[in-house]
Amino acid sequence: AQTVTQSQPEMSVQEAETVTLSCTYDTSENNYYLFWYKQPPSRQMILVIRQEAYKQQNATENRFSVNFQKAAKSFSLKISDSQLGDTAMYFCAFSPSGTYKYIFGTGTRLKVLA
Amino acid sequence: DSGVTQTPKHLITATGQRVTLRCSPRSGDLSVYWYQQSLDQGLQFLIQYYNGEERAKGNILERFSAQQFPDLHSELNLSSLELGDSALYFCASSAGDREAFFGQGTRLTVV
Repeated sequence: AQTVTQSQPEMSVQEAETVTLSCTYDTSENNYYLFWYKQPPSRQMILVIRQEAYKQQNATENRFSVNFQKAAKSFSLKISDSQLGDTAMYFCAFSPSGTYKYIFGTGTRLKVLA
Repeated sequence: DSGVTQTPKHLITATGQRVTLRCSPRSGDLSVYWYQQSLDQGLQFLIQYYNGEERAKGNILERFSAQQFPDLHSELNLSSLELGDSALYFCASSAGDREAFFGQGTRLTVV
């Protein structure tokens, strides 16, 4: 079975500091996509960043970057210069290529402290 | 704005009743997904449609059903509602397997 594991239910970070959220996944697929979604208190699901498994280069979107380790099946999210608006639940998700399926982890609640 | 529209935003109904949640996907997206999120929980996949056909089924109760219409909008029907069905119901759409875009959700409260 394909699964996504987020082992940190809650984390906190001081404003302007850097934090890393962990995600591991289990699959026998070789081609797939990985995503991080953010769910702020408004409950809207917002795509933060996307990584294609065939790309070795780690994806970056402004203050957000990933550390993708395909062999280890690890996909962590690094948030630099944390801002109060980054306070949210973060979900890691996995989609095997061509399946149109999205498998979500259980989420990590991140709180940015002033 | 993700381009995915869900109506209504809020719904309060009594136990035993039936409700219909509506979703309009992003223009051109053929795939629609329904998820349930109970309070402080993760996303529970319910069902997926692709171009009108059911593509995948998750942990969807028999009291729940869905369909996707020729214009690609989708409806999720919840019947014989119970208190435990109170949740945020998300619709998402995708053009392929790259990323899913989520609507703002329908918050269902069963009293």
